[in-house]
Amino acid sequence: EAQVTQNPRYLITVTGKKLTVTCSQNMNHEYMSWYRQDPGLGLRQIYYSMNVEVTDKGDVPEGYKVSRKEKRNFPLILESPSPNQTSLYFCASSPRTSWRYGYTFGSGTRLTVV
Amino acid sequence: SQQGEEDPQALSIQEGENATMNCSYKTSINNLQWYRQNSGRGLVHLILIRSNEREKHSGRLRVTLDTSKKSSSLLITASRAADTASYFCATDAGANSKLTFGKGITLSVRP
Repeated sequence: EAQVTQNPRYLITVTGKKLTVTCSQNMNHEYMSWYRQDPGLGLRQIYYSMNVEVTDKGDVPEGYKVSRKEKRNFPLILESPSPNQTSLYFCASSPRTSWRYGYTFGSGTRLTVV
Repeated sequence: SQQGEEDPQALSIQEGENATMNCSYKTSINNLQWYRQNSGRGLVHLILIRSNEREKHSGRLRVTLDTSKKSSSLLITASRAADTASYFCATDAGANSKLTFGKGITLSVRP
């Protein structure tokens, strides 16, 4: 089944403890992206990647890192999480021709930083 | 930066009625897309309309695009309780495939 898989689904952590949210897609998509969703603010892009070893900042990149060493994986790294990073996170992917197909989203990771 | 703004923010209708949701945006776009999100779950792509298209259909969905007014509408005909969800418009305005989402519309369909 074509899908984007995020792990974990839920995560509660403490301020300052480094964490990684994994994202993997099995559709050979070139483009991958991370979004966070907050009440009243909608979805905001954190980082995106056009292809392997090519990443760029989205609208709210502060406090986050990403890497794209392989085409299928695009992990989101929080080096020193803070409570304002408590949010619902989504990974998404699309073929380069996203104008034809749209994005495929993962099921989300609900992160709570205490 | 928010590009799409949906209207209304919330909509409640009876099963069988039609639901119309609107989206306005600010800059020129390559295409506009609509997504559905069931509570707390991932977004699901519904339909995409390119900037040179005016209307598109997919099953019970009809989307229109007016680039002169920078607006789009999504019509769901003969709504069902299962259509209860949040709906987002998203615009693709650049060469890097970035989608910019609105804040969403909450649709409730009463059985």
